[in-house]
Amino acid sequence: GESVGLHLPTLSVQEGDNSIINCAYSNSASDYFIWYKQESGKGPQFIIDIRSNMDKRQGQRVTVLLNKTVKHLSLQIAATQPGDSAVYFCAENITPGNQFYFGTGTSLTVIP
Amino acid sequence: DAGVIQSPRHEVTEMGQEVTLRCKPISGHNSLFWYRQTMMRGLELLIYFNNNVPIDDSGMPEDRFSAKMPNASFSTLKIQPSEPRDSAVYFCASSTRTGGDTDTQYFGPGTRLTVL
Repeated sequence: GESVGLHLPTLSVQEGDNSIINCAYSNSASDYFIWYKQESGKGPQFIIDIRSNMDKRQGQRVTVLLNKTVKHLSLQIAATQPGDSAVYFCAENITPGNQFYFGTGTSLTVIP
Repeated sequence: DAGVIQSPRHEVTEMGQEVTLRCKPISGHNSLFWYRQTMMRGLELLIYFNNNVPIDDSGMPEDRFSAKMPNASFSTLKIQPSEPRDSAVYFCASSTRTGGDTDTQYFGPGTRLTVL
């Protein structure tokens, strides 16, 4: 029979548009969050992180928003480029533990 | 900065054979993690070490899996005997603990294991 795998949410955006990738995390005690980018055939790559004492953090072309009330995290990518095409994972952690729990990921495709 | 180094990058073996995956963490990092990634289950933590000591191996699937960290710059993940369902990409990651805060984990390129 067919194997059933994870069904990744997918997002397609036009080059130059802004992208928003969402993540619902599971544990209200989580206080540290990371967004990773994983390109095909490569390991997850750190993009940006945020601790629970902040609601927003900005990097180069990326912004992470944290809403602790509804346990929601989002990653905004400005002026999306073809090189941004990848699977994006959010990961949650409870300080001072070392364990991160990863979401299933969102596949972003940028259309040139 | 070399980043986390894993070897081999690809491994194809037959069922029943022993497989050893290797990892060199980033110099100065004192925590090391082994993950497995499959289409069925996503990214799963298998085991992690702090200062070369295994802290939590609850993610190790069964006794066929074992991991060691003989020193701060080297770790192995061994599967003996291997089975087709072990086919996956295995990632090693490292981080540094400073004070009470958790720090970012940096991932290696992974080892793609295929067990026939």
